[in-house]
Amino acid sequence: GENVEQHPSTLSVQEGDSAVIKCTYSDSASNYFPWYKQELGKGPQLIIDIRSNVGEKKDQRIAVTLNKTAKHFSLHITETQPEDSAVYFCAASILISNDMRFGAGTRLTVKP
Amino acid sequence: DAGITQSPRHKVTETGTPVTLRCHQTENHRYMYWYRQDPGHGLRLIHYSYGVKDTDKGEVSDGYSVSRSKTEDFLLTLESATSSQTSVYFCAISESGGRTETQYFGPGTRLLVL
Repeated sequence: GENVEQHPSTLSVQEGDSAVIKCTYSDSASNYFPWYKQELGKGPQLIIDIRSNVGEKKDQRIAVTLNKTAKHFSLHITETQPEDSAVYFCAASILISNDMRFGAGTRLTVKP
Repeated sequence: DAGITQSPRHKVTETGTPVTLRCHQTENHRYMYWYRQDPGHGLRLIHYSYGVKDTDKGEVSDGYSVSRSKTEDFLLTLESATSSQTSVYFCAISESGGRTETQYFGPGTRLLVL
């Protein structure tokens, strides 16, 4: 079936460093790629998304890049802060089932 | 959480008992979804609704049923709970549905089946 792979599963960085999380997808027709941040005990919150007609999108310290040829997309967080510590999920739209598939998540820890 | 509430927030039940989880939204969005979240699996779609009384199966629908009698409420029922249904359940909504529409999630319900 359609699949979204997310790496790494855990990531630890020092405050101020950059963090990169990568996802690959299998459905070549996927055209919408959101990223969610989930804090402990809460539901996932959308932080940024990208559609297939663009290759990069930025929002302050967060950016997402998309390579449709290679079928992968990445989340980049610069100047990380302790409050960035959370679990991050990527997702990709799936044509055949008209829904989305989520990656397994990355637990990001930012050490002060 | 985008005007989405879930109840109960926590529940402990025994194997074989029926369980109903409720999702309520105040956004008047057409689409509503139920996901389960398990370690190593991310979020997996159980069922979704595209309107009152209109529902369809997701990736992991076995053992679950849903109902939507009003735009604002979407119920998830475990007819006979099993230990494998221990999970965190999230409701989500989107304005017009489809695979390219942003979904907004509720706070979740933590279910333990003993």
